[in-house]
Order: sequence, then structure tokens, then C-alpha cells
Amino acid sequence: DIQMTQSPSSLSASVGDRVTITCRASQGIRNDLGWYQQKPGKAPKRLIYGASSLQGGVPSRFSGSGSGTEFTLTISSLQPEDFATYYCLQHNSYPLTFGGGTKVEIK
Amino acid sequence: QVQLQESGPGLVKPSETLSLTCTVSGVFIGNYYWSWIRQSPGKGLEWIGYIFYSGSTKYDPSLMSRLTILIDTSKSQFSLRLSSVTAADTAVYYCARSAGLLYGGYSYPDAFDLWGQGTMVTVSS
Repeated sequence: DIQMTQSPSSLSASVGDRVTITCRASQGIRNDLGWYQQKPGKAPKRLIYGASSLQGGVPSRFSGSGSGTEFTLTISSLQPEDFATYYCLQHNSYPLTFGGGTKVEIK
Repeated sequence: QVQLQESGPGLVKPSETLSLTCTVSGVFIGNYYWSWIRQSPGKGLEWIGYIFYSGSTKYDPSLMSRLTILIDTSKSQFSLRLSSVTAADTAVYYCARSAGLLYGGYSYPDAFDLWGQGTMVTVSS
């Protein structure tokens, strides 16, 4: 199985801050990576696919980068509605696996 | 409007079979991969398995011996059956859609783009 190591597991930030979340794959996955945002009691919502393509309707302050084994989700200027838990997903090899999540909290 | 809706019992007894159905509306069920994903209380996300519209399946190896995923294209539904459940199977269960990607003539699922709202299933006597 491909392990997805996501860091940090949690972070505290203020509105307007730049936030970076990292996912490392235990082996190369090309660009077969998605990023999701999940709010309490809700289903995850796809933000990024193909490691760097922005999902339609998602604000441009979200961006993704990386290929191979290291990937980054960046929120350029954190907004109040961005406080949530973020997950990465690799869909290169079976079983599909998620990172452990990053909870973004208000400082 | 494209929607996925999970349905099924919210309480299952240990050793019995958990059965859920996902109803797809607003989009043709063909040409997509249809997955089940679960999230244990307070925990992360776990992919369970998928079925392609053709009926081909892929399961998480840790669940494979207990798992069946079926599709009924005439009803725009796909289903999950997980046998011999224990408390460890207590979770919110989501159904989700993936488009297909091609690489070197090989088809595989993209990251899930559409999710149901989820349904909580508790395993308890």
C-alpha cells in the first residue's frame, strides 16, 4: 500500500495568513493526487485534482503543486470559511489511500 | 443537479451484514467509477472499494473477504454489502464518483469529484 504522510496534523492560523500543507507519498504517484476540504458533519469537497488543477467553483486562493512523492496545498490568504480539515488522496495505486488530515484552526 | 444519496439501516448487530445503497440522480451512471468510503468517528477517511459501470470491481484488501459491491444501472444505484461486522465497522459511510483517467492504455479512477452526504452506521447489539 502507498502511505500518504500528511503534515502538520494541525495548525493554528489567523485570517489573512498563508498556509501550506504537505503530503508525502511512500512511492511515486506521478500527479495522481487530490486535495479535499471537510467541515464538521459534511462530506469532503474536492479542491484540487491532478495535483495542481483547481476544481471549478473553488476560490483561486487555493493552489496545489508537486509531482512524484511530494505535494503541497497552499491557501494564499486564509479566510474564515477555510477553517476545516484538509485531506490528500492518492489514486495512483490500489488501495486508494488518504493522508491523515490537517485540521486548520483559528489562532 | 447531480446528487448521490446513501440509504440503509443506521444500526447493525455484530456478526451481521451491513447493506447500503447509493442512488445516483442527475447524471448517467455509465462511464464512471463508483466508490464507497468510510470515516470512523473522529478519524480519517478510508477507501473501501469501487465498482465500474461495467461491473468490474476493486476492493481494499483488508476488507475483500467480507465485501461485495454491486451496480444496478437500470435503477442508477450501486450497493455495498459488508458481512460479519464488528464495532470497528462503525463509521459514516459515503458513496462517491470518479471520472476515468487513461495512462498507457490503462484506465483508472480520478480523485473523487462528487460525494453523497454520508450515512452513519453503528454496529452494536
